[in-house]
Amino acid sequence: SQQGEEDPQALSIQEGENATMNCSYKTSINNLQWYRQNSGRGLVHLILIRSNEREKHSGRLRVTLDTSKKSSSLLITASRAADTASYFCAAPHGSSNTGKLIFGQGTTLQVKP
Amino acid sequence: NAGVMQNPRHLVRRRGQEARLRCSPMKGHSHVYWYRQLPEEGLKFMVYLQKENIIDESGMPKERFSAEFPKEGPSILRIQQVVRGDSAAYFCASSPVGTGSYEQYFGPGTRLTVT
Repeated sequence: SQQGEEDPQALSIQEGENATMNCSYKTSINNLQWYRQNSGRGLVHLILIRSNEREKHSGRLRVTLDTSKKSSSLLITASRAADTASYFCAAPHGSSNTGKLIFGQGTTLQVKP
Repeated sequence: NAGVMQNPRHLVRRRGQEARLRCSPMKGHSHVYWYRQLPEEGLKFMVYLQKENIIDESGMPKERFSAEFPKEGPSILRIQQVVRGDSAAYFCASSPVGTGSYEQYFGPGTRLTVT
């Protein structure tokens, strides 16, 4: 079953604009993670936000978590062409603590120079 | 510190052949996860292994698929008698601890094409 569902599925913006991606999940979670995948490559971990945190920053990235709404958002500010990639949210499987991550379908971001 | 290594990067097999995918975790990591990604989709968990043990194989198809992580050497994902539907990218990830509380480090993936 899908733990995370993301929207939009695709997003196209101009360089310098902000990009916001949303993720909704179904069960209670310990944490939520965001990953980036460049075309044809592996995933790179971006940020992990724990269930007792509401907001977290890392450089141009800002992640929020609303456990009451079971949703998270990833904001990329001042986007660059190099930010073009697919972005996935992932959360540990609800009933286990074995590190099994359940991924969303992803948001494909295109940043036009 | 080398990252997660996977080989081969690309693998072409004919229907009915066997595919062996290898994964060497990051140094110091004893927890390995395998995921499969179909085109235009997110990653689907397959199996979680520690050295010499399968901890969670709830995402593995019941037949033809097996995984191991021996005491020495890389983790291996084996697919016997491949079919076209096995064509996908297979990613390995490792972490220093085996809980969902930490990030996972992913390899570049093996892209399997079944002809």
